[in-house]
Amino acid sequence: QITLKESGPKLVKPTQTLTLTCTFSGFSLSTSGVGVGWIRQPPGKALEWLALIYWDDDKRYSPSLKSRLTITKDTSKNQVVLTMTNMDPVDTATYYCAHTQGMTTSYYMDVWGKGTTVTVSS
Amino acid sequence: SYELTQPPSVSVSPGQTARITCSGDALPKKYAYWYQQKSGQAPVLVIYEDSKRPSGIPERFSGSSSGTMATLTISGAQVEDEADYHCYSTDSSGIGVFGGGTKLTVL
Repeated sequence: QITLKESGPKLVKPTQTLTLTCTFSGFSLSTSGVGVGWIRQPPGKALEWLALIYWDDDKRYSPSLKSRLTITKDTSKNQVVLTMTNMDPVDTATYYCAHTQGMTTSYYMDVWGKGTTVTVSS
Repeated sequence: SYELTQPPSVSVSPGQTARITCSGDALPKKYAYWYQQKSGQAPVLVIYEDSKRPSGIPERFSGSSSGTMATLTISGAQVEDEADYHCYSTDSSGIGVFGGGTKLTVL
């Protein structure tokens, strides 16, 4: 059974850097074709895809946020970390990580964590 | 940037068929995926690769895709199907994209 859990601060100040950790079980990030993605959802708004890291360390980023995002993995710890710099109140959202599968140009998220809510406020 | 367009809302009576559309220029070459999100919960995959149903998803959920439009169909919608539905795909650069979401009301 695949499970994922997001963790990190619930409140960050504007201009600070957000670090979120996704801890997972039931799969290995060293398995071919497997990845972990991050998605966020501001209150009352649509889902927004953020980033993806593959088993072979291939990484993808949302073009609109690429300059602010970094995604890394620690295969031995079964963790994926997403950092987002220069946080702003518009980044207030629920952040999800998800098990991702497929080809590097066509992939999808099949199992999601419950999400963690992050508020950006001074 | 690539966009997927969904209607903001769809409303049906219980037992009727609900159809939610998703349009995108790359859909002739890319698969569409559908997620159900109930209030306060994480999204759940209900359709993958245009028309495949994950295990555990009721048979009343089906998907199709033709040209630049993908469609999620809920045949005989139940009150418990009331939720937000999100379509998803990838663009030509391999970047994930979600539609704006459709609120399905069943009453």
